[in-house]
Amino acid sequence: QSVLTQPPSASGTPGQRVTISCSGSSSNIGSNYVYWYQQLPGTAPKLLIYRNNQRPSGVPDRFSGSKSGTSASLAISGLRSEDEADYYCAAWDDSLSGQVFGGGTKLTVL
Amino acid sequence: EVQLVESGGVVVQPGGSLRLSCAASGFTFDDYAMHWVRQAPGKGLEWVSLISWDGGSTYYADSVKGRFTISRDNSKNSLYLQMNSLRAEDTALYYCAKSTIFGVEPPDYWGQGTLVTVSS
Repeated sequence: QSVLTQPPSASGTPGQRVTISCSGSSSNIGSNYVYWYQQLPGTAPKLLIYRNNQRPSGVPDRFSGSKSGTSASLAISGLRSEDEADYYCAAWDDSLSGQVFGGGTKLTVL
Repeated sequence: EVQLVESGGVVVQPGGSLRLSCAASGFTFDDYAMHWVRQAPGKGLEWVSLISWDGGSTYYADSVKGRFTISRDNSKNSLYLQMNSLRAEDTALYYCAKSTIFGVEPPDYWGQGTLVTVSS
């Protein structure tokens, strides 16, 4: 059972916009920044979003992040087949004095 | 270019010990905190440990506290994870990851991982 809760799966067709949610509590998302990662099959995770809504250089602006209270969301617009991957949210947890991840969401492009 | 190369993963018996290493390059190693994160086969990501830039502060997941020790040698641009009293549930791909400039926050760059298998 992960501290941050994500839906196990999501799907969309090419060109669509999909969102992935991440729910936490006051000790993690509610008081710290949220990060999002993309993990393609057989590869290491790649940073997509840092500090709630900031994109590292090289990440397309099709990817965006937001946070409200104790929840966060990752939105992917103009869905492409190469976006098919696992997506994870993460945040520091003040009560645990450690980092926590969501359980991951497997995105399927239909 | 940031590079993180993990090594030391092997097959080890339950109760055994192992030391993982991570060689860092492409950035000023002693400016950044560093993480270990693991991923069991077919499962999600699990944070393991974090060490501050100077080694003065360390943090551990409850699942490894008292069994694993994180350390670093800034003169060698290297990160380590000493793993003792290994259990079957420690079987995973272990990633070394670099923190952002903001310090105690999730990582930005990840290595390719080294596989630890705990089995008799």
